[in-house]
Amino acid sequence: GAGVSQTPSNKVTEKGKYVELRCDPISGHTALYWYRQSLGQGPEFLIYFQGTGAADDSGLPNDRFFAVRPEGSVSTLKIQRTERGDSAVYLCASSEAGGYGNTIYFGEGSWLTVV
Amino acid sequence: AQKVTQAQTEISVVEKEDVTLDCVYETRDTTYYLFWYKQPPSGELVFLIRRNSFDEQNEISGRYSWNFQKSTSSFNFTITASQVVDSAVYFCALSEVTGANSKLTFGKGITLSVRP
Repeated sequence: GAGVSQTPSNKVTEKGKYVELRCDPISGHTALYWYRQSLGQGPEFLIYFQGTGAADDSGLPNDRFFAVRPEGSVSTLKIQRTERGDSAVYLCASSEAGGYGNTIYFGEGSWLTVV
Repeated sequence: AQKVTQAQTEISVVEKEDVTLDCVYETRDTTYYLFWYKQPPSGELVFLIRRNSFDEQNEISGRYSWNFQKSTSSFNFTITASQVVDSAVYFCALSEVTGANSKLTFGKGITLSVRP
């Protein structure tokens, strides 16, 4: 597709449930990022993939969060045992390469609400 | 640690007014990149500009201009003759050098409202 595509656009789930959020990056982009944006805040880095491997997962808040990118294209962010504090917009982004300074292009995000 | 400060939280102007959005950053890196993104109500972050730390020339793109001043660690964004479609949240961001990672540190954003 032309841009970064994320599904679902909105997800409401009950506390304790498992959630998967999907990201399809811009075609040809090798680097993929997940960010989280809480209300009234700027996006915060979660994890970065270069190809299939997670090159930097230092932003994942705890071990309930996990992400995969098995074929180096589509990525899935997985959240186990969701908590109300996980409610946020989860933004996926991609860039042509992973070196610093590359322009990162964002999707429209997946709004997650945990009730 | 990297830090980006956008001290203005909300700005409201009348259409056709000029408006400047401020951004101040902190970094120990000598080489870095700065970005501005626009986030309209749809939620998507739209890339506006990227500037590296070695290039202090100001840049103009249509009604948009950017003033990068390394001496004051600022990267301010001016919209000339604002329009209603400029209403959005604007984020300034700093690229951190962590090996091959282009991780961005964002400010909290400035909500710009342009009234007809």
